[in-house]
Amino acid sequence: AQTVTQSQPEMSVQEAETVTLSCTYDTSESDYYLFWYKQPPSRQMILVIRQEAYKQQNATENRFSVNFQKAAKSFSLKISDSQLGDAAMYFCAYRSVGSYGKLTFGQGTILTVHP
Amino acid sequence: SAVISQKPSRDICQRGTSLTIQCQVDSQVTMMFWYRQQPGQSLTLIATANQGSEATYESGFVIDKFPISRPNLTFSTLTVSNMSPEDSSIYLCSTSTGQGWNTEAFFGQGTRLTVV
Repeated sequence: AQTVTQSQPEMSVQEAETVTLSCTYDTSESDYYLFWYKQPPSRQMILVIRQEAYKQQNATENRFSVNFQKAAKSFSLKISDSQLGDAAMYFCAYRSVGSYGKLTFGQGTILTVHP
Repeated sequence: SAVISQKPSRDICQRGTSLTIQCQVDSQVTMMFWYRQQPGQSLTLIATANQGSEATYESGFVIDKFPISRPNLTFSTLTVSNMSPEDSSIYLCSTSTGQGWNTEAFFGQGTRLTVV
């Protein structure tokens, strides 16, 4: 079974600064998908960014980018130019190929953005 | 994409009673998933519901406690039975669309359940 670990229960950042959220995972599979989801107080899960393990290039979505280290089984999220609206719980998630959308989540990191 | 309407959004229930949570998807989907998110915790998969067959439960979750129905390709319910305060959590339904790399998961807005 796969496991996902987020070792930072809480992080904080000043508005306009950069913050990195950490995630490690354990799997015996060679191909899989990794995701970062954002859950604001509204509870709606929002997909931030995704990465396929087969692709070595790190994914980027506007201010959000990842540092994917397959050998180290590490998948960190970097948020640049942080905004007040980025404040939320962030979850790292793993999906096996062919699992039809079933996800394994990390424990989550609460991100606070200070004005 | 898929839009999921989940209700109720929140409820406060007496211990020993049951609550049924409903999820309606705006398109036909194969799989639906039910997750539990205990206070301040991660999401844990309860079960996978496929239309026309019994739900598949994850370790630690049983059908008697969390019966699931999946009567058609757009609808599913999760019942939390004989509730105790330990069942106080957020319950979320989810589905996915697309194939392979393009598979994307979508979530309902969750049901915040408080058992007193």
